[in-house]
Amino acid sequence: DQQVKQNSPSLSVQEGRISILNCDYTNSMFDYFLWYKKYPAEGPTFLISISSIKDKNEDGRFTVFLNKSAKHLSLHIVPSQPGDSAVYFCAASRPDYTGNQFYFGTGTSLTVIP
Amino acid sequence: DTGVSQDPRHKITKRGQNVTFRCDPISEHNRLYWYRQTLGQGPEFLTYFQNEAQLEKSRLLSDRFSAERPKGSFSTLEIQRTEQGDSAMYLCASSPWGSQNTEAFFGQGTRLTVV
Repeated sequence: DQQVKQNSPSLSVQEGRISILNCDYTNSMFDYFLWYKKYPAEGPTFLISISSIKDKNEDGRFTVFLNKSAKHLSLHIVPSQPGDSAVYFCAASRPDYTGNQFYFGTGTSLTVIP
Repeated sequence: DTGVSQDPRHKITKRGQNVTFRCDPISEHNRLYWYRQTLGQGPEFLTYFQNEAQLEKSRLLSDRFSAERPKGSFSTLEIQRTEQGDSAMYLCASSPWGSQNTEAFFGQGTRLTVV
């Protein structure tokens, strides 16, 4: 059962434009959401996160929006740069006495065209 | 300490052989995770340690898989009697003690190919 879903396997955007990556989740117990970026043959690199008490978090060119009622979050990258070309994974975690466990989506491959 | 370190980066083994992977987390991190990633999928949780205690295991972790973190520092993941379906990228991650809400830092992974 895929609790975190990224329904767009790929996305192409012109350099300088906005990239919008989407993510949906099913488990209402999730309270912390993260985006990771992954280059081929490397491990995922943390990009940005948001707690369920917020609806927006911004870090430079990256902004994450959370819509709890819709169980939806999105990552906005503006302006997009060729170096942003990578696979982006959405992840979610739930409060648990054992600590975090991260549930990942299947990823969206972003290509930024120069 | 520059991050989470995994060894080896690549491993090719024959079906039926045993393999062991090592993970060295960021030194002050007490939480350590193992994930597995196959082509076209996101990382899938395998197991989690807090210090030396293995607190959670996924049902993906069959009896052929065992993980240890004997002194609460580095961890090993062993796969016995490997099968072709075990071919995947095995990722280790760590996170610090403290707030529940914190990101995990990943290593570069060990790519296992079972032939």
